[in-house]
Amino acid sequence: GESVGLHLPTLSVQEGDNSIINCAYSNSASDYFIWYKQESGKGPQFIIDIRSNMDKRQGQRVTVLLNKTVKHLSLQIAATQPGDSAVYFCAENIQGGSEKLVFGKGMKLTVNP
Amino acid sequence: DTAVSQTPKYLVTQMGNDKSIKCEQNLGHDTMYWYKQDSKKFLKIMFSYNNKELIINETVPNRFSPKSPDKAHLNLHINSLELGDSAVYFCASSQDRGLAGRRQTQYFGPGTRLLVL
Repeated sequence: GESVGLHLPTLSVQEGDNSIINCAYSNSASDYFIWYKQESGKGPQFIIDIRSNMDKRQGQRVTVLLNKTVKHLSLQIAATQPGDSAVYFCAENIQGGSEKLVFGKGMKLTVNP
Repeated sequence: DTAVSQTPKYLVTQMGNDKSIKCEQNLGHDTMYWYKQDSKKFLKIMFSYNNKELIINETVPNRFSPKSPDKAHLNLHINSLELGDSAVYFCASSQDRGLAGRRQTQYFGPGTRLLVL
C-alpha cells in the first residue's frame, strides 16, 4: 500500500505487478517533466521525460502520463522487478528568470519477491 | 568513463572547518549544478553555472561558494561548516540551461556524503 506522512512515502508491490507512482507539480507554466530513479547510495538517474504538449509517453516498461488540468504526473512501471526498488522523483522544468528543475518529494518503491 | 564524477565520496569533518567538494563532467555539457539532498531525500538546487557563469543562486548562505574554473568543472567550497550542512551533495550537468522549448535532462554524479560533527 501507499503511505504519506513525515517519512518518505512508500509503495510496496509484488514482483511482476504493475506499479503506479504519482506526482503533483506546482507550476502551470512548467513545460517539461522528468522522472528520476535513485537507488540506494547513488545519484538520481534519468528514466523518462515528457513535454507539456504531450499527455503520454512510453519507454521500455515505463509510461509517463501528464494531466495538465490537475497538474498531475504519473509513472507506470510494467511487470515490476526487484531491480526497480528505489526512490522515484518527478521534476518539473520551471521557466522564468532562471530556468531550473524543481524536484518533488520522492516516493520509495519496494518490490517484494 | 564516468560521465559526472565527484570527490570525495565521503567527507567527515568538525564544525567550523572549511572543506571543498569537486565535480567534473566529461559529457561536453555547458551547464552544471549543485544540489543538496537532506535526510528526508528532499533534493534542492543550490547553484547553477552555464559556461562558467553563475545563473542560479538559490538563497544559499554565503559560506557556500561555487567555483567553475572551466565548463567541465564545478567545485563547491564551504566555510565554517555547521551541523545543518550534513547532507548528500550532488553535482549534475545538462547540455544547456534549458531555455524555453529545449530539453534540460540533467545527469547526476554519485554524490558526496558530508557529515559535520
